Amino acid sequence: DARVTQTPRHKVTEMGQEVTMRCQPILGHNTVFWYRQTMMQGLELLAYFRNRAPLDDSGMPKDRFSAEMPDATLATLKIQPSEPRDSAVYFCASGLARLRTEAFFGQGTRLTVV
Amino acid sequence: SQKIEQNSEALNIQEGKTATLTCNYTNYSPAYLQWYRQDPGRGPVFLLLIRENEKEKRKERLKVTFDTTLKQSLFHITASQPADSATYLCALVGTGGFKTIFGAGTRLFVKA
Repeated sequence: DARVTQTPRHKVTEMGQEVTMRCQPILGHNTVFWYRQTMMQGLELLAYFRNRAPLDDSGMPKDRFSAEMPDATLATLKIQPSEPRDSAVYFCASGLARLRTEAFFGQGTRLTVV
Repeated sequence: SQKIEQNSEALNIQEGKTATLTCNYTNYSPAYLQWYRQDPGRGPVFLLLIRENEKEKRKERLKVTFDTTLKQSLFHITASQPADSATYLCALVGTGGFKTIFGAGTRLFVKA
């Protein structure tokens, strides 16, 4: 059945290292979201794309975070350099902008920066 | 700035009772309001959507109301069951696109 796939599921890295998280949206979906979830802040929107073009990345720290969609089947979120405060669960979600009914979420990537 | 507020304290209720969760928002005029369920270690799962021109929506044991004047939505689960225990997230979808922002969620515990 159709689902959003995120890799890796868990990542532990040292401060200063580059982290890349990947997302495969549901085939045919033209909107992709990246969210970060922490106990303190809840689910924060980092960026979202329509037809692979970034529509809004105002929630993303620009100096260290970058998000791209190299093609319609892959979205990436990079952190360079990573910091302990980046520790969180990162979710990717996809949907159909035409319908605007719901976003389908992946299982998330749990990132720990030590 | 845009703000979505949900009860930060957990809601504990007895099985069979109705659970009512609140979502309030400020500085936003959403086209839609959505409710999602999230279980530990999983991504949120869509439950219901209500449009700005709708007052109430129902789906099985779930009911959502939307008051754009009060800028508030209420989410009800009737005849609650222990399996309903989860975190429930309110989300707003903007008028200009598909930008979807979430509240922090309310944790619900249903005791048998």
